[in-house]
Amino acid sequence: KAGVTQTPRYLIKTRGQQVTLSCSPISGHRSVSWYQQTPGQGLQFLFEYFSETQRNKGNFPGRFSGRQFSNSRSEMNVSTLELGDSALYLCASSSPAGAGANVLTFGAGSRLTVL
Amino acid sequence: AQSVSQHNHHVILSEAASLELGCNYSYGGTVNLFWYVQYPGQHLQLLLKYFSGDPLVKGIKGFEAEFIKSKFSFNLRKPSVQWSDTAEYFCAVRVKTSYDKVIFGPGTSLSVIP
Repeated sequence: KAGVTQTPRYLIKTRGQQVTLSCSPISGHRSVSWYQQTPGQGLQFLFEYFSETQRNKGNFPGRFSGRQFSNSRSEMNVSTLELGDSALYLCASSSPAGAGANVLTFGAGSRLTVL
Repeated sequence: AQSVSQHNHHVILSEAASLELGCNYSYGGTVNLFWYVQYPGQHLQLLLKYFSGDPLVKGIKGFEAEFIKSKFSFNLRKPSVQWSDTAEYFCAVRVKTSYDKVIFGPGTSLSVIP
């Protein structure tokens, strides 16, 4: 069973640009969550999607947005990048039922560097 | 707002020493509790979880954790650590509201010295 796949793995952008990150969840998982991981801050919750609907949102500015498609794949977008947006962006998927229900399975992350 | 705190930012132990990592959360409702581990260069992975029942739960690699509801705590323990336990450990809480989400603590970096 394939795991959670995130692309791209690494990217470098400059201030003011925008970026789109992609996440393909485990087959059959309909919930996708996004986190920002930085040294000392741990994992900060960005948002969670289920069946194309955003169910939860963290305390991030409106520059951070996301969406989920009918095949459960998800994208997140950050516009007008700032230096402080440099981080590892993690995607996790979960299923409400079955083996491993309600347990997040993480991808390898997308490492964003903003110059 | 819900939050998760971890008692130590960085812990250094010698092999065979005992480990206890503290975790407290601030939410009075029904919660699910987790410990995740991130080994160097690897994905975050589940170490153990508590949903209900016996408050002492056992996970992989000899780890266990005890849920103490009255103290809002979920401390992680291992009687004898190995060098391979060197990793970042994250406590997490899933808040069971109508739209649940998982909140993570800031993490504890564990270094085990051979």
